[in-house]
Amino acid sequence: NAGVTQTPKFQVLKTGQSMTLQCAQDMNHNSMYWYRQDPGMGLRLIYYSASEGTTDKGEVPNGYNVSRLNKREFSLRLESAAPSQTSVYFCASSLTIVSYNEQFFGPGTRLTVL
Amino acid sequence: AQSVTQLDSQVPVFEEAPVELRCNYSSSVSVYLFWYVQYPNQGLQLLLKYLSGSTLVKGINGFEAEFNKSQTSFHLRKPSVHISDTAEYFCAVSGVSSNTGKLIFGQGTTLQVKP
Repeated sequence: NAGVTQTPKFQVLKTGQSMTLQCAQDMNHNSMYWYRQDPGMGLRLIYYSASEGTTDKGEVPNGYNVSRLNKREFSLRLESAAPSQTSVYFCASSLTIVSYNEQFFGPGTRLTVL
Repeated sequence: AQSVTQLDSQVPVFEEAPVELRCNYSSSVSVYLFWYVQYPNQGLQLLLKYLSGSTLVKGINGFEAEFNKSQTSFHLRKPSVHISDTAEYFCAVSGVSSNTGKLIFGQGTTLQVKP
């Protein structure tokens, strides 16, 4: 039982390049989330998926797109990377979208945009 | 809308000493409250949460937190810390009626336990 896994662990991009961050969970959770973590700002929600087939914007969605490929997988795409997207990205999942559920986090992807 | 303020960005403490990490929140609606811990180079994991009932909540690794509604606080405490408690700690809230699962995080407090 691996929990939430993310690939890659590290990535360096040049401004304007695109990439997709992958996330998968094996806990049969319905809901999945993408956060970014910046120094002194805590974590901020980028997008979330309440259930398979649905996605919604979070607090900071600009510059990102997501795909809920199936119940297990939720990917985050940067179409044209900018230095402001340098951050650590965390994927999380929870049993359902209700707000009292614990969210389980992956180990993160550290992204640098030059 | 909700917001969370963690009053200390860094808390240095000696091993076996007590520690308190402070968290205040602001919300116009009822909230659930959470503390998460992030060990170096890892994702976040849940320490404890307050949903309702007793205002003193016990979590993993000997941590506890007390919900104070009048002061809108949810401070985290441990009576005796270990070197292994060195980590970043995040306080978070979510609206009771929220249908987004959205967590609002504080800025984080780095706990540095010294031998």
